[in-house]
Amino acid sequence: GAVVSQHPSWVICKSGTSVKIECRSLDFQATTMFWYRQFPKQSLMLMATSNEGSKATYEQGVEKDKFLINHASLTLSTLTVTSAHPEDSSFYICSAELGTGEQFFGPGTRLTVL
Amino acid sequence: RKEVEQDPGPFNVPEGATVAFNCTYSNSASQSFFWYRQDCRKEPKLLMSVYSSGNEDGRFTAQLNRASQYISLLIRDSKLSDSATYLCVVRGAGGTSYGKLTFGQGTILTVHP
Repeated sequence: GAVVSQHPSWVICKSGTSVKIECRSLDFQATTMFWYRQFPKQSLMLMATSNEGSKATYEQGVEKDKFLINHASLTLSTLTVTSAHPEDSSFYICSAELGTGEQFFGPGTRLTVL
Repeated sequence: RKEVEQDPGPFNVPEGATVAFNCTYSNSASQSFFWYRQDCRKEPKLLMSVYSSGNEDGRFTAQLNRASQYISLLIRDSKLSDSATYLCVVRGAGGTSYGKLTFGQGTILTVHP
């Protein structure tokens, strides 16, 4: 299957700092990538759809100024959590979509905000 | 009503058992359907797509009933390695939902010796 990487795999930061997470499709090009968040014992919730060369589309309730998304190339999307707070601590997962509609997920980034 | 609903379980079965998971979805215009599995603290991995005619992949059989908006996954001859959370996933059809995946809350399966 298609390979998607994420970096970093885990990060611990102080409250008020910003954290950037990278998502890369390694062996295919993805015009569309997705960012999800998963809290403990809950399922994945879509945060935003990242489109190469255009603005991201955010789901209702997700602050676009807090979660900055940049999709500058067909293989890279970044999510920046600005001014992170403890309630932002979560498992952030990206996915990239193949032309078939199947999505392949990155290994996730576990964010802990102290 | 949730967009995608699953029995959360947990299901606790012995090795070799057959286990079935059910899932219902609310949007009749949904386009594609999948089962993913997620191991603890890992990302979801695609198990199989679900086709209208039903499809099988080894010990796994998926069924779709569009009229009832119902999806199922059957696992035969369970292995210890099948222990995971199984996620029913529906892909949106059109408008603002196009291409978006909606996840069920997951069904936890534990296979014991």
